[in-house]
Amino acid sequence: SQKIEQNSEALNIQEGKTATLTCNYTNYSPAYLQWYRQDPGRGPVFLLLIRENEKEKRKERLKVTFDTTLKQSLFHITASQPADSATYLCALDIKSYIPTFGRGTSLIVHP
Amino acid sequence: EAGVAQSPRYKIIEKRQSVAFWCNPISGHATLYWYQQILGQGPKLLIQFQNNGVVDDSQLPKDRFSAERLKGVDSTLKIQPAKLEDSAVYLCASSLGLSLHYEQYFGPGTRLTVT
Repeated sequence: SQKIEQNSEALNIQEGKTATLTCNYTNYSPAYLQWYRQDPGRGPVFLLLIRENEKEKRKERLKVTFDTTLKQSLFHITASQPADSATYLCALDIKSYIPTFGRGTSLIVHP
Repeated sequence: EAGVAQSPRYKIIEKRQSVAFWCNPISGHATLYWYQQILGQGPKLLIQFQNNGVVDDSQLPKDRFSAERLKGVDSTLKIQPAKLEDSAVYLCASSLGLSLHYEQYFGPGTRLTVT
């Protein structure tokens, strides 16, 4: 069956370090992969989109990689700040245009 | 630009009662999504509209859930009758078009508690 895996354990890091979050998938061949941020009590907010033929995408302190051979995307936040603390979700299209989200990984940045 | 509006923000009902949620997407967005998010999980797609037509409703429990988008703008999601396991946040999102080529804009959600 089709599956998306994000680390269910919270990631705790110190301010200023680089946070790396993982999104693994099986039995998909997605054309697109998106990353969202979700704060408690709020809806997800779009961060980055990467296409299957792109290896890497950057936006300010954010970087996303997409390895279709490993079936994995890595999401990096450099120079992390306490304000980056949130849950980060990845989303893939499983059937051309049907979005499926992972369960998300909680990031906690300690001052 | 106004965001996606949802109401109510919170709702508490007893099991077997009915409830309805309303969503007004961003103006001009053809695609509208309803998601169910249970605590600790990611959003699960219930139904996806393109204008006023249903694109996918394969994960909508059709014996109790229904949704419509009659004029291709705002949408209503209904649960009748509710079960305890329906307790969740119901998120509405909209985008310019189909596929994850387009970013989704989410509303604040409606937190439903079924007692």
